[in-house]
This record gives sequence, structure tokens and C-alpha cells, in this order.
Amino acid sequence: NAGVIQTPRHKVTGKGQEATLWCEPISGHSAVFWYRQTIVQGLEFLTYFRNQAPIDDSGMPKERFSAQMPNQSHSTLKIQSTQPQDSAVYLCASSLVLGGSSYEQYFGPGTRLTVL
Amino acid sequence: GQQVQQSPASLVLQEGENAELQCNFSTSLNSMQWFYQRPGGSLVSLFYNPSGTKHSGRLTSTTVIKERRSSLHISSSQTTDSGTYLCALGYNTNTGKLTFGDGTVLTVKP
Repeated sequence: NAGVIQTPRHKVTGKGQEATLWCEPISGHSAVFWYRQTIVQGLEFLTYFRNQAPIDDSGMPKERFSAQMPNQSHSTLKIQSTQPQDSAVYLCASSLVLGGSSYEQYFGPGTRLTVL
Repeated sequence: GQQVQQSPASLVLQEGENAELQCNFSTSLNSMQWFYQRPGGSLVSLFYNPSGTKHSGRLTSTTVIKERRSSLHISSSQTTDSGTYLCALGYNTNTGKLTFGDGTVLTVKP
């Protein structure tokens, strides 16, 4: 089991450019989460998919951020018109879903986004 | 909103000493995890423990729902235990999202 895979590991964009981050969950896990980690804010929840359907996007900035899960093997987080304050480590996690509830979450290595 | 308080914020030990890390929460929960993170590293799940006591090697996690606290005990600490320990709580079975504490930074000196 390769664990949660995230690509790229590092991404540098210029202000105003678009960034797309990729996540491949653990095979068999039907819950996928995106979080963001910064020194100042710590770890923050962004969005959650269950069986590919968006369930909770309460942590997503309303503008410029979007997430999709087109199939059970990958999810993407897209940031349009990136700003310096978007610089962070973006983490993807996956878990099993049993009885409608997610369980232990396993995290990927993260994508470090730097916006110049 | 839900709050997660971790203590201490930092801890320095001599190798071989024991450590007790605390996580306090404000409302009842349905999931609880302890994670370990090295600087620049990924989050490693140590325990999924929404209630009761679990053991793994030199680590023990105890969650007492009625007292709204969870603890992580590290026995016979080693220099390789140095890093940040984070507790994370889930309050909503529908979303499964975790709310993280600020972490305890542990330094174990040889």
C-alpha cells in the first residue's frame, strides 16, 4: 500500500497564476479530505468528499478555490489567481467509511505551494 | 465553536524520561486522533482513539469523554521522538472533518 499520494510535492507560482494540486487516496478509501497548514494558522480543514460526492466545503475560501473528485482514485484542488497568502502546505487525507461515518484519517506528504 | 487545547506548548526532556501530553476539548466528540510530525514532514497517525486506552510500543493514548480530555504518554523517551505531537478531534459524523490543536513541540536531548 503506497499510502496517500500527492503531486507535485513542491509548486512555485507567480501571483495571479493558477495552481492545481493532485491527490490519490488509499485504495478502498471512499472519504477524501483536504487541509491546509501554515505556521500562523496551523492545520485547517478545507473540504471533504465521500464516495466522490462533495459533502462539506465549509473551510474553502469562497473565491478562487475549488475541489473536485472525478473518480474514486483521485481528487484535485485548484486555486485560481494565486495570491501570496495562499502559500501553505496543502494536505490530502483519506479514510474508510463505515456506516456512513469516516474513521482514522491517513495523510499524504503534502504539496508545498509557494506564491511569489 | 469547537475548541482544542493542547498542553504543554513545548517540552524538553532528557533521553529516558517520560512525557505526558494533554488535549482538552470543549464539546463531546465522535472521533479523535493523535498525530506525529517532524519539521517539514508529513502527519503520521499514532492513534485513532475516540474513547478508552490504546497502547503501541512506548506510547499510550487515553481518552476520557466525560472529562473532555485525551492524553498521550511517551515512556522512556528517545531522541528520535523529537517533533510535534498534534491531537485532532471530529465533532460531526456527517463531515468527518478534524479540528486540530496547536500541537506540543517535544525535544528529547541525549
